[in-house]
Amino acid sequence: DQQVKQNSPSLSVQEGRISILNCDYTNSMFDYFLWYKKYPAEGPTFLISISSIKDKNEDGRFTVFLNKSAKHLSLHIVPSQPGDSAVYFCAASAGRGGSNYKLTFGKGTLLTVNP
Amino acid sequence: GAVVSQHPSWVICKSGTSVKIECRSLDFQATTMFWYRQFPKQSLMLMATSNEGSKATYEQGVEKDKFLINHASLTLSTLTVTSAHPEDSSFYICSASGWTSGSGTQYFGPGTRLLVL
Repeated sequence: DQQVKQNSPSLSVQEGRISILNCDYTNSMFDYFLWYKKYPAEGPTFLISISSIKDKNEDGRFTVFLNKSAKHLSLHIVPSQPGDSAVYFCAASAGRGGSNYKLTFGKGTLLTVNP
Repeated sequence: GAVVSQHPSWVICKSGTSVKIECRSLDFQATTMFWYRQFPKQSLMLMATSNEGSKATYEQGVEKDKFLINHASLTLSTLTVTSAHPEDSSFYICSASGWTSGSGTQYFGPGTRLLVL
């Protein structure tokens, strides 16, 4: 049972435009959400996170939106750059982001930003 | 900050041998370390969670006698794949988390590619 779903396996965007990556979850106990970026044969790199007490968190070109009622979150990248091309994983945990709470990952979305 | 290293980055071994992978948090104290496995084009699958000084908690379906985890200090955890077989070939990634790393966010190592012949 996939508790964190990224329904789009891939997304292609033109440089300078907005990239929107989507993630849905089913477990209502999840209260902390993260986005990671991953290049092939490397470990994931943390991008941005959001707690369930917020509905938006922004860090530079990256903004994460959380819609708890819809159990949906999205990552916006504006403007998109070719270096953003990677696999993006959505992850969630239950326990308000406590240090010993495990993450449940989605299957990832491959973002390609074309010059 | 929040840098995690893994060693080795890749290893080739013969079937039946054991392989040890180290995971280190370089600039923060990791109260908890996690070990993941990733198959090609799949998501990261959590294998086990280890807290410093205590036994690891394994996910369902992961053999604890096969994948030995030791979290001896706040900066080091090791995963030993015992009597490795070709089906153990995979990409193994560790992550570390601690209050000093920031709100429980997990920071990942670069991964270890294991190939068992």
